[in-house]
Amino acid sequence: GAVVSQHPSWVICKSGTSVKIECRSLDFQATTMFWYRQFPKQSLMLMATSNEGSKATYEQGVEKDKFLINHASLTLSTLTVTSAHPEDSSFYICSATEQGLRFGPGTRLLVL
Amino acid sequence: EDKVVQSPLSLVVHEGDTVTLNCSYEVTNFRSLLWYKQEKKAPTFLFMLTSSGIEKKSGRLSSILDKKELFSILNITATQTGDSAIYLCAVETYSGGGADGLTFGKGTHLIIQP
Repeated sequence: GAVVSQHPSWVICKSGTSVKIECRSLDFQATTMFWYRQFPKQSLMLMATSNEGSKATYEQGVEKDKFLINHASLTLSTLTVTSAHPEDSSFYICSATEQGLRFGPGTRLLVL
Repeated sequence: EDKVVQSPLSLVVHEGDTVTLNCSYEVTNFRSLLWYKQEKKAPTFLFMLTSSGIEKKSGRLSSILDKKELFSILNITATQTGDSAIYLCAVETYSGGGADGLTFGKGTHLIIQP
């Protein structure tokens, strides 16, 4: 139980395009989901807290117009990286709480 | 500012050895402490600790929390090469309106040599 899925697993895109990443809680409802970013050999950095039916809360230094978050239902949150650039290349992970924080498998983004 | 410190940062041992990983924290409004194992993909959940002195066990792994001294340890006995991973410690805090996310340590990179 308590499975979080992400889609896609891998995405390679050209600079300037937008990329949408989906995060789903498969067997539980999540009013809150979290989005993290991880650079190589570094720990997870919280980007934002996604709240169902309301605006996301962004961490300091994270541009809300660049990383658009939508949490339209109790089982789905999406992160859209708008006008992606090579420096946005990273590993993006979502999570939701169900008896402890459960992570999705992550999405590896490479912007060329 | 909430802080989670893990030690050591890196550890290399031989198969069969026992290892102890440390996690100390300074946070406001502590809710729980969690341990994760990260190999090539996203972290996988190991333990959630909320009460002091109660050991949690899963096979060769065990963990305990000391809320007075503000630390936790993760023990792995009879290590195997498959235990090689980064072990992350995270502390969950709350703001009154529900959980407000986690603060992660930098992780301990554990390498088990055959």
